[in-house]
Formats: sequence, C-alpha cells, structure tokens
Amino acid sequence: EDQVTQSPEALRLQEGESSSLNCSYTVSGLRGLFWYRQDPGKGPEFLFTLYSAGEEKEKERLKATLTKKESFLHITAPKPEDSATYLCAVLRMDSSYKLIFGSGTRLLVRP
Amino acid sequence: DTGVSQDPRHKITKRGQNVTFRCDPISEHNRLYWYRQTLGQGPEFLTYFQNEAQLEKSRLLSDRFSAERPKGSFSTLEIQRTEQGDSAMYLCASSLGASVQETQYFGPGTRLLVL
Repeated sequence: EDQVTQSPEALRLQEGESSSLNCSYTVSGLRGLFWYRQDPGKGPEFLFTLYSAGEEKEKERLKATLTKKESFLHITAPKPEDSATYLCAVLRMDSSYKLIFGSGTRLLVRP
Repeated sequence: DTGVSQDPRHKITKRGQNVTFRCDPISEHNRLYWYRQTLGQGPEFLTYFQNEAQLEKSRLLSDRFSAERPKGSFSTLEIQRTEQGDSAMYLCASSLGASVQETQYFGPGTRLLVL
C-alpha cells in the first residue's frame, strides 16, 4: 500500500539552530516528490519538486534532497518566520494525478 | 497575482443541510483537483478534472458528494445531507495540464463546520 511518513511530527528549534525534516515513502514507482509549506488556516504553498534520486534543490534557508526511499528538508539557520507545517507528497508512476500526502511536520522556531 | 481562489472561506451549517463550494483555478490551468484536510493530517485526494471531464474520483467521494466543472473553468463541490464527519478544510488546486509531473498549486481552502 502506498504510504508517506513524515518525522518528527513536531520540532521546536531556537533561531539559528539548523535541522532536518524527514519524509519516507513507499509507492509503486515514483513520478515526483513535492514539498509544501502550510501556515495555520491557509492552503499549502509549493516549495520544491524532486524527480530522481540524488536530486537537490535550494531556496533561501531550505534545501531538499531525494533518495530512493526518502527525502530530507534541511533548514539552515532558521528564523521565526519559518515556523509552519511542512508537508511532503508523492505522485505515483501510473495514470493517477493524485498527490499522496504525509501528515506533516509542525515546525516552531523560537527567537 | 491571480492564484487559486475559493469561496466561501468559512461555512457553518447544520447536519442534514446541503452546501456548495466554488473554486476558481489559476487562469489557463486545465487541471483542477479537490482535496479534503482534517486537523493534524495531510490533504486527501477527492477528485480531479481535466478541462470539464472528471477523470478520477476517490473512494472518499461518497454519493453525497458531487463535483462539476461545466465549462472547464471554475468548479463546484456540493455536499448533500451533511454529516458531522464532513467537517474539514476543503482545498482546491490547479495545474497547467502540460505534463504528468507538474506542480499543483493550492487555494486558501474552505473550512466547513457541521453542527
């Protein structure tokens, strides 16, 4: 069965304290892996798409990497405004266009 | 910046009532998706349109749910005879329709509370 698992469920960091969020997936063929950021009461905001193992993408303090079984979202020197829920989703290698989401990691960055 | 818009943003209704939500996708996006998200969970796929054709439906979309996209532009999601378990955030997303790996862009959502 297709599954996307994110860890930790919640993470508290001090401003400037770097860390990584994990997304492990089990799908019958991966077409793409997507990272989104979601603020309370709002819709998910697109961050990155990764398509193949070894691929990396960066945006400001965020860097996403992909292996054959998992993806990491590295946050370097986070700021309080990085506080949000980070969602990982996968697209299977079949005719379906549905994204399969994990439950997210709630990140709180303290000043 | 004309992103995905949804209306209403919030809806409170009584059990047994019908509700309808509207989604306007990003201009020129051919694909439109509906998801449902409950507290502490990631979004769950409900259905997908390519232009006006509804091409995929989840098992979550019971016979009380119906979605339409009559002219291939905006879409509506109707829930009939609402139940308390329908309380959730209903999210709409759209994508260009040019490739199978393209990004889905989400709207702000409609939060439904069924009393």
